[in-house]
Amino acid sequence: ETGVTQTPRHLVMGMTNKKSLKCEQHLGHNAMYWYKQSAKKPLELMFVYSLEERVENNSVPSRFSPECPNSSHLFLHLHTLQPEDSALYLCASSQDPGTDPSYEQYFGPGTRLTVT
Amino acid sequence: KNQVEQSPQSLIILEGKNCTLQCNYTVSPFSNLRWYKQDTGRGPVSLTIMTFSENTKSNGRYTATLDADTKQSSLHITASQLSDSASYICVVSFPVFSGGYNKLIFGAGTRLAVHP
Repeated sequence: ETGVTQTPRHLVMGMTNKKSLKCEQHLGHNAMYWYKQSAKKPLELMFVYSLEERVENNSVPSRFSPECPNSSHLFLHLHTLQPEDSALYLCASSQDPGTDPSYEQYFGPGTRLTVT
Repeated sequence: KNQVEQSPQSLIILEGKNCTLQCNYTVSPFSNLRWYKQDTGRGPVSLTIMTFSENTKSNGRYTATLDADTKQSSLHITASQLSDSASYICVVSFPVFSGGYNKLIFGAGTRLAVHP
């Protein structure tokens, strides 16, 4: 285990539903990330939080809404998603947001999301 | 445009055989290059990290090489085991000067299947 947990591991939701993904890191890190991983495509960075402040938002549609209440927890709130949003959503954490070039990101197991 | 290209897309080998995975990148400037292993249903786990001054780095049966002049890297797996079946992802880090941090660019990965 990497010290990063995600719940739920699997989620099926309709396009009109509202759901939330949760991520928790037990590593004492200061930065947390959301990534989207679609089949046969590179990981896409969605959001970066450093010390609970959002430092990067990669032009993600507003139907994805992140929340970072403290440095250990990260949420991704979902509403009115589209079928093309079906993917593996990975959470990661690191000691800092990359000021040290050799910083290491530790990934959670991901939430497999299916939008019907 | 900063890109990371991996080949082959997928590979099947027999247990005990060696294999080499390729990574070409156009990222500039360059901080370091990493190889990650991602088991099915899991998040990526770091195998190696190399700066531009390093030519090779090993982690058990995994050996990564880097040619910063040609912007190519390879991951060599020796005496493959069934547990090596996974996706292997090449990741290049580059500095974002306006933000004072380093950003990761992910390749799409090579899916390796080791058969008995």
